[in-house]
Amino acid sequence: NAGVTQTPKFQVLKTGQSMTLQCAQDMNHEYMSWYRQDPGMGLRLIHYSVGAGITDQGEVPNGYNVSRSTTEDFPLRLLSAAPSQTSVYFCASSYSKAHVGNEQFFGPGTRLTVL
Amino acid sequence: DQQVKQNSPSLSVQEGRISILNCDYTNSMFDYFLWYKKYPAEGPTFLISISSIKDKNEDGRFTVFLNKSAKHLSLHIVPSQPGDSAVYFCAAPDLYNFNKFYFGSGTKLNVKP
Repeated sequence: NAGVTQTPKFQVLKTGQSMTLQCAQDMNHEYMSWYRQDPGMGLRLIHYSVGAGITDQGEVPNGYNVSRSTTEDFPLRLLSAAPSQTSVYFCASSYSKAHVGNEQFFGPGTRLTVL
Repeated sequence: DQQVKQNSPSLSVQEGRISILNCDYTNSMFDYFLWYKKYPAEGPTFLISISSIKDKNEDGRFTVFLNKSAKHLSLHIVPSQPGDSAVYFCAAPDLYNFNKFYFGSGTKLNVKP
């Protein structure tokens, strides 16, 4: 049971380049989400999905796209990278059955630098 | 405006002593809170939670206290160990969409041997 996996671990992009951050989970969790962590800002929600084919925006969605074609995978796409997107990105998953007890499981993160 | 706040970016304590990490929230309707622990180069891991029907939840060396009137919660670690050195985040789920979580900015705990 690998839990939540993310690739790549590190990435350097030039402004304007595009890329996809991969996220997969093998726990059959319905809910998946993407966060970015910036110094002094904690974790901020980018996009989330409550099941295959269903996605929605979080706090900071601009500049990012997502799709959820399977329960296992939830890729995050940067269409035209900007220096403001330099951050550490975390993918998370959880059961979507109840309010209390809905802890999230996080991947190890992707450190992205946009020059 | 942040709905969950951690006003202390860092805390340093001696091994064996108590560590107290604080968290404040703005929405009095929040009814469930979680603490996560994060080591460098790893993702956060769930540590402990508390429901608003309780004012205390204990798990081994970790205890979370909830003061609803003050909209404040705290995480106590007793005794602190060097392996507890990490960043601690508090979080609360959105009232209408419990899959959306609000996180504090984190407190970096350093436990000195």
